[in-house]
Amino acid sequence: EIVLTQSPGTLSLSPGERATLSCRASQSVTSNYLAWYQQKPGRAPRLLIYGISSRATGIPDRFSGSGSGTDFTLTISRLEPEDFAVYYCQQYGTSPNTFGQGTKLEIK
Amino acid sequence: EVQLVQSGAEVKKPGESLKISCKGSGYSFATYWIGWVRQTPGRGLEWMGIIYPADSHTTYNPSFEGQVTISADKSISTAYLQWSSLKASDTAMYYCARRARGSPFDPWGQGTLVTVSS
Repeated sequence: EIVLTQSPGTLSLSPGERATLSCRASQSVTSNYLAWYQQKPGRAPRLLIYGISSRATGIPDRFSGSGSGTDFTLTISRLEPEDFAVYYCQQYGTSPNTFGQGTKLEIK
Repeated sequence: EVQLVQSGAEVKKPGESLKISCKGSGYSFATYWIGWVRQTPGRGLEWMGIIYPADSHTTYNPSFEGQVTISADKSISTAYLQWSSLKASDTAMYYCARRARGSPFDPWGQGTLVTVSS
């Protein structure tokens, strides 16, 4: 199965700053099927980005995704208070689909 | 509005059986895949398997095959995840989520917490 490794494990930033989260795959992701989710405490994950760089419905444009092959990045251009959460990447091109272990974005 | 509503939290003993549910609304239930995801503090998010309600075609993660059964009843727009003999290690939050062809999971159900303890 494809192993996704996210870094850093925890990212401490202040509102207004730029966040850069990384996701590295153990092998190339099929058909660019790479997604990012946001999860807040006590809530289900919410889809942010699909197909590496397409924003899901209702997602603000401060969220952007990039990358190819095995290296992917989620960027939040200017952090809002509600952005502090855990972020997961997922590849959905190869079965079993797999998730990264998550990056916790916390307020500095 | 597309919505997935899961059944409530469960507390069970080791060896007991359990079936949890996920009811879809606001869309054509039969023609979208429904997947199940386990979340634990130690192992994070794990993709368990997925079912296509129109024909009940199911694909399991090999790590979960034989440990759980995924099913669906398209007549009542509901998918299920069941265990015949629970273990303490099945204690987790379980989410269902909808998937269109070529798309990731969206939306997700609210989750069902399963606690297995003697």
